[in-house]
Amino acid sequence: DAKTTQPNSMESNEEEPVHLPCNHSTISGTDYIHWYRQLPSQGPEYVIHGLTSNVNNRMASLAIAEDRKSSTLILHRATLRDAAVYYCILRERRDFGNEKLTFGTGTRLTIIP
Amino acid sequence: DTAVSQTPKYLVTQMGNDKSIKCEQNLGHDTMYWYKQDSKKFLKIMFSYNNKELIINETVPNRFSPKSPDKAHLNLHINSLELGDSAVYFCASSNRDRGSTDTQYFGPGTRLTVL
Repeated sequence: DAKTTQPNSMESNEEEPVHLPCNHSTISGTDYIHWYRQLPSQGPEYVIHGLTSNVNNRMASLAIAEDRKSSTLILHRATLRDAAVYYCILRERRDFGNEKLTFGTGTRLTIIP
Repeated sequence: DTAVSQTPKYLVTQMGNDKSIKCEQNLGHDTMYWYKQDSKKFLKIMFSYNNKELIINETVPNRFSPKSPDKAHLNLHINSLELGDSAVYFCASSNRDRGSTDTQYFGPGTRLTVL
C-alpha cells in the first residue's frame, strides 16, 4: 500500500493560516491525493483532493509538489471549528472496482483561541 | 436530511452475542463501505459493496458479515462478539460509476462496547 507521512500534531492560532504537510514519496502516477478530516466524535469528512495541479475549494487549498512526492493542505484562516485530525490519503486504484482509502495516523490540529 | 445514517449510535452487549449495525444512505450512491476505528484511532476499511456486490473484503474474521439488501443499505452483522470487537464502526458511501474521484461520505459512527 502506498503510504503517507504526516506530523502527529500541530498547533495554530485562531484566524491564522495553517499549513499541514504530507509526504508520499511512493505515490504512483495514477494516485489521487485526498484529504479528509475527523472532528471529535464524528465520522471523517472530505476536505479536498488533487492529482497534479494545485486545487482550491471553499474549505481549503491543496498545494502539490511538482514531483508529487509531497503535498500541503492549507487552511487560509483557521477557526476553532477546524480543530480535528487531518488525514492525507492516497486513493489507490488497483483494479476496477477495488479502490479503497487507506487512512494513516493523521495530524491532530489544535487551534489556539 | 442525514446523508449517511447509522443505527444504533451506541451498542453495549455481552461477549458471545450476535448483533447488527444498520447503515442507510440517501445520496443515490452505488458503493458503500464499512470501516473500523479502534481505541488507538486507527481507521481501517473492512468491506466495500458496489451495486449490492462485495468488491473489497479485507482480512476480517468471518464472524463479520455485511449484508446489502439494496443499493441504499449496507448492514453489518457480527456473530459471537469478542472483547476485541469493541470499536467505533463507520459506514460510508460514494459514487464510483460516474467516473468520479470516489469521494466518500461517512456516517456518524456506531460505538460498540463488548463486555
